[in-house]
This record gives sequence, structure tokens and C-alpha cells, in this order.
Amino acid sequence: QLTQSPAYISASVGDRVTITCRASQGLSGWLAWYQQTPGKAPKLLIYGASILQTGVPSRFSGSGSGTDFTLTISSLQPEDFATYFCQQADTFPLTFGGGTKVGIK
Amino acid sequence: EVQLVESGGGVIQPGGSLRLSCAGSGVIGSNYLTWVRQSPRKGLEWVALILRGGNTYYADSVKGRFTISRDSSQNTLFLQMNSLREDDTAIYYCARDRPNSSGWYLGSWGQGTLVTVSA
Repeated sequence: QLTQSPAYISASVGDRVTITCRASQGLSGWLAWYQQTPGKAPKLLIYGASILQTGVPSRFSGSGSGTDFTLTISSLQPEDFATYFCQQADTFPLTFGGGTKVGIK
Repeated sequence: EVQLVESGGGVIQPGGSLRLSCAGSGVIGSNYLTWVRQSPRKGLEWVALILRGGNTYYADSVKGRFTISRDSSQNTLFLQMNSLREDDTAIYYCARDRPNSSGWYLGSWGQGTLVTVSA
């Protein structure tokens, strides 16, 4: 089970944003982060807890191991207002966090 | 650009059956393909996965009712859904592996197809 927090973040362009994902059991580094905008499919941002997917801007970063993981956006851009999900990629059943919506302040 | 296109969604009565398809360049050469669904009530929920070799894995909520398969000659992924329930209502996405990485990461997704189970 994956628990994301917070469920909602109100932020402004240029803000630093941090989202956390806590697993009920250790995952080593088998964790991914996805971004989803309304009406679109999720898009892989980070895998292996900290490896940036090809083409993803460097303002996105991931960290953590074991049960606690973090997604950070260093300077929020207009296109980053979206919902973010974590996913454990270790064992079946694959599971997702409940999501964190980043909204405009 | 990797392309995955789902089709086959629609409105179906409880107890009915539906078959979803997923086709496109993304099916070719994939190590695994999977179905993930999304609903307002349950969020993102993994449904089923098939390896290139044919092994399959299912969520407990669909085991015995859904069957994932692929037709390599047609480069198409399928999800046969039987005994549908109202809580199967969701957008169904197909997705494939992220190449050259270990772990069950979903590197490319289709646009989704809506399944509504309602009397």
C-alpha cells in the first residue's frame, strides 16, 4: 500500500514543491512517479526512485529508499500544475498512491 | 514515438462481457504489456499484465473474470472482461514497459477507453 501526502498542494509559479510517498513495506528503490493532466494518461517522470525519464525537465527530482520517497519540483512551471502519482514497481499486485494534485494558488 | 491505441469500451449491463483491444507501435518489441484502470472512487488500479513469453498476472479483484492476451501477429493486446460489475466502471489504459530498465515501470500509455457498467 502506498500513501501519498499531501492530497492537494496550492502553489505558485516558481515555488519549490515536495510530495511524499510512504510504502507499507520496503521497496528498495523500485518506485516510479507519474504526472497526469486532465483528460490525459499518466506520464512516467521518474523510475528507480531517482532516475529521470528521458525528456523530463531537470527541475523534477526523486529521492528515497525503503519505505519513504519524495518527488520534488524545484521551481514550479505553468505546465506542472497536474496530479502526481507514485507507483511501486517491486511486486504484484502493482499499486499506486492516491495522488497529489498541484493547483494554482 | 511509441503509440498505443485502445478501443472496445462502451456501456454494458452488469453481468455482461466486453473485449478491449490495444494496438500500435508500442505493442511491438515490448517486454510486457499491462492494463491499468482509473475511476474517481478507486483512483489508479493495476488490472493485469502479460510478459513477452506469455505469463500473466492479475489483480485479485479481476482474477477469474478478466483475461489478458496478446496476438503477436496482429501486434494487439486484448482484455476480455466477463461478469462485469458496476465497480469495474473506469477508464482502461494499456501501457508497456520502459525499455532497458528493471522493475515494473510503465513507460508508455495509451489514451484510454471508457467502460461503463450500468443497468
